[in-house]
Parts: sequence; C-alpha cells; structure tokens
Amino acid sequence: EDQVTQSPEALRLQEGESSSLNCSYTVSGLRGLFWYRQDPGKGPEFLFTLYSAGEEKEKERLKATLTKKESFLHITAPKPEDSATYLCAVQADDYKLSFGAGTTVTVRA
Amino acid sequence: SAVISQKPSRDICQRGTSLTIQCQVDSQVTMMFWYRQQPGQSLTLIATANQGSEATYESGFVIDKFPISRPNLTFSTLTVSNMSPEDSSIYLCSVGYSYYEQYFGPGTRLTVT
Repeated sequence: EDQVTQSPEALRLQEGESSSLNCSYTVSGLRGLFWYRQDPGKGPEFLFTLYSAGEEKEKERLKATLTKKESFLHITAPKPEDSATYLCAVQADDYKLSFGAGTTVTVRA
Repeated sequence: SAVISQKPSRDICQRGTSLTIQCQVDSQVTMMFWYRQQPGQSLTLIATANQGSEATYESGFVIDKFPISRPNLTFSTLTVSNMSPEDSSIYLCSVGYSYYEQYFGPGTRLTVT
C-alpha cells in the first residue's frame, strides 16, 4: 500500500525566513509526485509534478526537489501570502493519487 | 489548466436525506475523480467517474452510498445517499488531461445534522 508522510505538521515562519517541507513516500512504481497548495475553504491548487529522482521545479518562491524516497518543498524568503496548507501526493502505476496529511505553513509579517 | 465548477458550494442537510453534487469542466477531459476531505484531514479518493460506464470505487466506498454519473466528457455528479453526520465533509471533483496533471474544483462543503 502506498504511504505518504509529510513533516512537519505545522510550520510557523517569520516573513523572509526560508524553510523546507518534507514528503517521504513508499510506493511501488512511482509515476509522479505532486505538490498542491490549499487555502482554507478552497480546493487544492496544482503546483508541480516531479517524475524522476534529481528533478527540480520552481514557481516564484517555491522550489520542489525529488529523490528516490522523498521530496522537499523549499520556500525561499516567504511572504504572508504563502500561508497555506501544502499537500504532497504520489501517483503509482495507475492514475490515482495518494495524499499525505499536509503541512500547514503560517508566515507572519 | 481547467476551469472547474461545483454546485452547490455548500449545503446543510438532514440525516437520512440525499444530496447530489455537480461538477462541470470548461473543456473535455479524459479523467474525472471524486475525493472526500473530512474535517482536519487530507484527501481520500472515492471513485473514478468513467464516461459511459459504471464508476470505479475505492476500497471502503460503495455505489449504493455514493452513486456517480458521467454522461459526457465535461460533467459528472456524485450523490451522497442516506446521509449521516459522519458524511459531513468537503467533496471535491478532480479532472486530469493526462496522468501528470490533475486539477481540483472548489469543493462542496456538506454538513449533515
């Protein structure tokens, strides 16, 4: 069974204080690793899909990396508008996504 | 990306009743899915909505409780039947143009009293 573990559960940052979120996974035959951002009361917003170990993708202050066992989401110089829950999901040999519990990031001005 | 709408956005229902949630996409998509997000928890896949055939349900979810229709490539419905307070959740529609991009709708927040 696919397993996805995200840490920490919650992260409080000062504006400009860079940090990283972790997503470790166990899956047979990884097809892709997905990152989403979810604001309260809204559906998840697609950020990235990573396909193979060593791959990196960037979007504004976010950078995602992938190894064979985990992925990191780096937030560089965060702003209050980066406050959200960040979800990681793995996709195995079929098309289904298995989600982690998420990391809730709060950025204080 | 896709523009996905869901109706209703929220509802409060009485125990024992049923609610049908609609999902509309602005373009034809290959894959449509329904997820549940219980309070304070992450997303769980309920089923894959297959166009022209019966939906494929995940373990723990059954057709009698969550009947799904998908009459065409842009529309699907999920019904939550014979509701109980444990069904209070956010129900999310998701679509995929390929295996590598899946987008979510805004969700339907359901409260069962």
